[in-house]
Amino acid sequence: IVLTQSPLSLPVTPGEPASISCKSSESLLDSSGYNFLDWYVQKPGQSPQVVIYLGSNRASGVPDRFSGSGSGTDFTLKIRRVEAEDVGIYYCMQGRQTPRTFGQGTRLEIK
Amino acid sequence: QVDLQQSGAGLLKPSETLSLTCALSPGSFSNYIWTWIRQPPGKGLEWIGEITDSGRSVYHPSLRGRLTLSLDTSKNQFSLQLTSVTAADTAVYFCAKIKGLVVPKGIVSWGQGTLVSVSS
Repeated sequence: IVLTQSPLSLPVTPGEPASISCKSSESLLDSSGYNFLDWYVQKPGQSPQVVIYLGSNRASGVPDRFSGSGSGTDFTLKIRRVEAEDVGIYYCMQGRQTPRTFGQGTRLEIK
Repeated sequence: QVDLQQSGAGLLKPSETLSLTCALSPGSFSNYIWTWIRQPPGKGLEWIGEITDSGRSVYHPSLRGRLTLSLDTSKNQFSLQLTSVTAADTAVYFCAKIKGLVVPKGIVSWGQGTLVSVSS
């Protein structure tokens, strides 16, 4: 399964919203009704960390300014008001089938 | 708090075997999928394989035949072995755990990463 993210680079002014798209070559919606799509952020010099799992569930400790939406093949990660600490590379990852695959990554930077 | 602690050699010559270990601290293997992901320098993330708490493993097709994942419950650790390495295997290798077996709820913990360089 190929995941295509856009944009690949996202400069954002603090306090402004941000949105990242992830499109899948196949449906990630399981017969159980779950979308097997997660979002991760890799901050500079760190291991990645989960932001959103199963399409729209915020991971523990993730601020509520982050939200995930979408179903099937089209997904979006939104940040309501970007803060300096949100800088990093955001990846979507599908768990619908193996091999699990990642999008190319979107680099979010502060203007 | 470091949940997963990686160890293993980081500098290899072509044709050698890469061996990495990931220790759980504290740990239980139950209800998690134990996975390995790598990241070539300056590039994105690549899933390379995983093993369940029952020992069932799945490998990336491109690595099948060279990759072996294993669990050692007595030592609370899981391991990766990649044979016949080449320069293309140069990457930061991460161990990680996925919560949930039937409905995975994301990669909830990652190791610190090990830079593996393959060079003659």
